[in-house]
Amino acid sequence: AQRVTQPEKLLSVFKGAPVELKCNYSYSGSPELFWYVQYSRQRLQLLLRHISRESIKGFTADLNKGETSFHLKKPFAQEEDSAMYYCALSGYNQGGKLIFGQGTELSVKP
Amino acid sequence: KAGVTQTPRYLIKTRGQQVTLSCSPISGHRSVSWYQQTPGQGLQFLFEYFSETQRNKGNFPGRFSGRQFSNSRSEMNVSTLELGDSALYLCASSSTTGQGGGYTFGSGTRLTVV
Repeated sequence: AQRVTQPEKLLSVFKGAPVELKCNYSYSGSPELFWYVQYSRQRLQLLLRHISRESIKGFTADLNKGETSFHLKKPFAQEEDSAMYYCALSGYNQGGKLIFGQGTELSVKP
Repeated sequence: KAGVTQTPRYLIKTRGQQVTLSCSPISGHRSVSWYQQTPGQGLQFLFEYFSETQRNKGNFPGRFSGRQFSNSRSEMNVSTLELGDSALYLCASSSTTGQGGGYTFGSGTRLTVV
């Protein structure tokens, strides 16, 4: 079964601390993995995707196929990073069908 | 350019009624996907349309249906509403299909069934 698991509902850190938002997936095949973010009162938006291997707003995520994980990391959290973060996957040529995790609320305290 | 527009923003319906939600994608986008978001189930995929054809369907009962017009605008319909259908319904569009990261989301329609 296709599934995305984000084990933490809430992650609270202090400004300047490292952040790691966990994401594990279950998929038979080669999925595409994404992180979406939703800031307060804003729309859901794409943060990054595994195929681009880029850093957005200081965040990076590495796909670990052995551990079926796609954890999101940032070395130094900022208050403006506070938001809901969703990990999602899509299957080959199924890009319009995103399977989302339950989301992790990141709270960065001053 | 204008983003994905969903109308109406809020809707209150009575159990047993039906409802139609509308989504106007970004100009030039031909793929539209719909999602239901609830506190308990999170974000769940409903269906995807590309060039007026349903390309993917999620695990929802037949009361949930959709369509896409030649101008790429899409509608979803829910018949015989149940209390459990109360949710935020999100629409997302992309210029192509098969590219999960290329989807831009709308603000959603919040449906309340009483």
